Amino acid sequence: GAVVSQHPSRVICKSGTSVKIECRSLDFQATTMFWYRQFPKKSLMLMATSNEGSKATYEQGVEKDKFLINHASLTLSTLTVTSAHPEDSSFYICSAGTGGGYEQYFGPGTRLTVT
Amino acid sequence: QKEVEQNSGPLSVPEGAIASLNCTYSDRGSQSFFWYRQYSGKSPELIMSIYSNGDKEDGRFTAQLNKASQYVSLLIRDSQPSDSATYLCVNNDYKLSFGAGTTVTVRA
Repeated sequence: GAVVSQHPSRVICKSGTSVKIECRSLDFQATTMFWYRQFPKKSLMLMATSNEGSKATYEQGVEKDKFLINHASLTLSTLTVTSAHPEDSSFYICSAGTGGGYEQYFGPGTRLTVT
Repeated sequence: QKEVEQNSGPLSVPEGAIASLNCTYSDRGSQSFFWYRQYSGKSPELIMSIYSNGDKEDGRFTAQLNKASQYVSLLIRDSQPSDSATYLCVNNDYKLSFGAGTTVTVRA
C-alpha cells in the first residue's frame, strides 16, 4: 500500500520551455501532497504543500508563478516548471500522506535537466 | 518546523556488524519520529515510525525513542551492503523537515 508514482522519471528540456510533472497516489486518496527539490549532495527541500481543491502553499523563496502546482483530485497533483532555466535542473520529488498520520510516501522522483 | 539533529556519521561498518544512528531533538513537545532511507539518486523511503517511548523492532531494524533524554536512534543489525544509504531522522509533523542525514556505508 501507499504507492506514489511520478511521471516522467527523466526529462530534458530547452531553456525557456515549460515542463509538467505528474504525481499520483495509486492506492489511496491524498488530501495533501508535497513537492520537494533536491540538488546533488544536498538535503531535500520542501517547495510547496498542495491541498486538493485549493491553492498550494509555497515555502519562502519559492516563486509561485514559476512553479505552478495544481491538485485537481485526491490522487493527482501536478507541478509545472515554467520558463525553465539551467539553474532549475534538479531532482523533483513529490510525496503524499494517507491522512492517517503525518507519514509521507514519496514518488520515485523526476530528474529535470534544462539545457 | 521541529528540527532534529543527527549526530553520527558518516558511518562505515563491516558487513554483519551493527550500525547505530542517533538523533537528538530540542522540542520536548515532539511525540514521534520517522526514519527514512534514501539511496543515492533515489527518493526517500519510509522504513520506521516510532510513536512511543522505548524500542520498536522491524526485521533487522530497531528504532528507539527516549523522550526523557530527547534522543532517537536506529540500529541496523547484521548490516548488509544493500543497507548502504543515507538515513534521515525526521520529526513527526505536518511538514517534514529533512536534514543531511547520516550516510552509512557497509563494507563487504
